[in-house]
Amino acid sequence: NAGVTQTPKFRVLKTGQSMTLLCAQDMNHEYMYWYRQDPGMGLRLIHYSVGEGTTAKGEVPDGYNVSRLKKQNFLLGLESAAPSQTSVYFCASSAYTGPRSNTGELFFGEGSRLTVL
Amino acid sequence: QKEVEQDPGPLSVPEGAIVSLNCTYSNSAFQYFMWYRQYSRKGPELLMYTYSSGNKEDGRFTAQVDKSSKYISLFIRDSQPSDSATYLCAMSLNTGNQFYFGTGTSLTVIP
Repeated sequence: NAGVTQTPKFRVLKTGQSMTLLCAQDMNHEYMYWYRQDPGMGLRLIHYSVGEGTTAKGEVPDGYNVSRLKKQNFLLGLESAAPSQTSVYFCASSAYTGPRSNTGELFFGEGSRLTVL
Repeated sequence: QKEVEQDPGPLSVPEGAIVSLNCTYSNSAFQYFMWYRQYSRKGPELLMYTYSSGNKEDGRFTAQVDKSSKYISLFIRDSQPSDSATYLCAMSLNTGNQFYFGTGTSLTVIP
């Protein structure tokens, strides 16, 4: 049972470089999310998707772009990396159980550690 | 003001102690309340989930929600070294497509 898989797990970038983080889930979940986790800041939502072909901004979207071309994949892109984007990035997915309902369960990947020099 | 406030700790207790973890929130529209556990260098995993007010018990863990006070708690009885982790509270609205997390409380249970 793979669940949510993130690649790469570690990456070091120089300021101005671009990269893409890939998230794949095998649970047929509708919802997918990208969070960043920083000391003292907790988990902050970057972007999310409620279904294939849809994306929406979260709390801290600036400097990031996302795409959800296939239901099982959610890509997070950094077009021009900055040191402020040094963080641990988590992808998560959850099931849609109907309007006005919520399983309350996010399934997280193991994280991608990004350092921008 | 952050939507969800959580004391970051760190909290250190001896094995067998009762642990109390708490979060406060400002948005009275939150309906779903969750506790996630995150081990070092791992992703968070759901520990407890409660809808609206009340208590929920699962083994050594009890989650409480007091919507009138905008306050939630997680109690761990007979704490074990394996409970050493960061505990994050999380909340969501009725739509269920956005989750709001606390900053997490780091817990160490000393054998």
